[in-house]
Amino acid sequence: DQQVKQNSPSLSVQEGRISILNCDYTNSMFDYFLWYKKYPAEGPTFLISISSIKDKNEDGRFTVFLNKSAKHLSLHIVPSQPGDSAVYFCAATYGGSQGNLIFGKGTKLSVKP
Amino acid sequence: SQTIHQWPATLVQPVGSPLSLECTVEGTSNPNLYWYRQAAGRGLQLLFYSVGIGQISSEVPQNLSASRPQDRQFILSSKKLLLSDSGFYLCAWSYGGGGQPQHFGDGTRLSIL
Repeated sequence: DQQVKQNSPSLSVQEGRISILNCDYTNSMFDYFLWYKKYPAEGPTFLISISSIKDKNEDGRFTVFLNKSAKHLSLHIVPSQPGDSAVYFCAATYGGSQGNLIFGKGTKLSVKP
Repeated sequence: SQTIHQWPATLVQPVGSPLSLECTVEGTSNPNLYWYRQAAGRGLQLLFYSVGIGQISSEVPQNLSASRPQDRQFILSSKKLLLSDSGFYLCAWSYGGGGQPQHFGDGTRLSIL
């Protein structure tokens, strides 16, 4: 049973426009959520996170939104750049764990010039 | 700054052969350490984590084992590899549990023939 779901395996966006990547979760105990970016043949790189006490966190071009009632979060990238093309993973964890992250299957973002 | 090293980058092994993958972290002390596997078309699955020397927790039953002989060294092993052990293996570290982000190495692509 998947606790973290990324239902869109791929997304294509024009350079300069907004990219919106979505993630749903089922476990109400999750209270911390993270987004990672992964290029081929490399390990994932941490992008941005959000605690369940917030509904928005912003870092430069990246903003994560959390809707706890819907158990949904999204990553917005504005403006999108060709270098943003990668696989994006959503991950979740909960306080009291040893940081064990539950990952979604990822969404491949392609930003076209 | 902290760095994490994994080797080898790629490995081709016959079924039934042993395995040893090594991961080391520099620039920090007493990190949490993690081993993940990404099978084809799937998300990252946590295999093992360690909060200190000699302390190993296993998340899924499997053909693999892990050891932490030194503070910043994490080893993934198998006595006899199975075809199903093929995948992309990633080591990660974090400062602790809860919402601390994990930082990944570049991974080992393991192919079993």
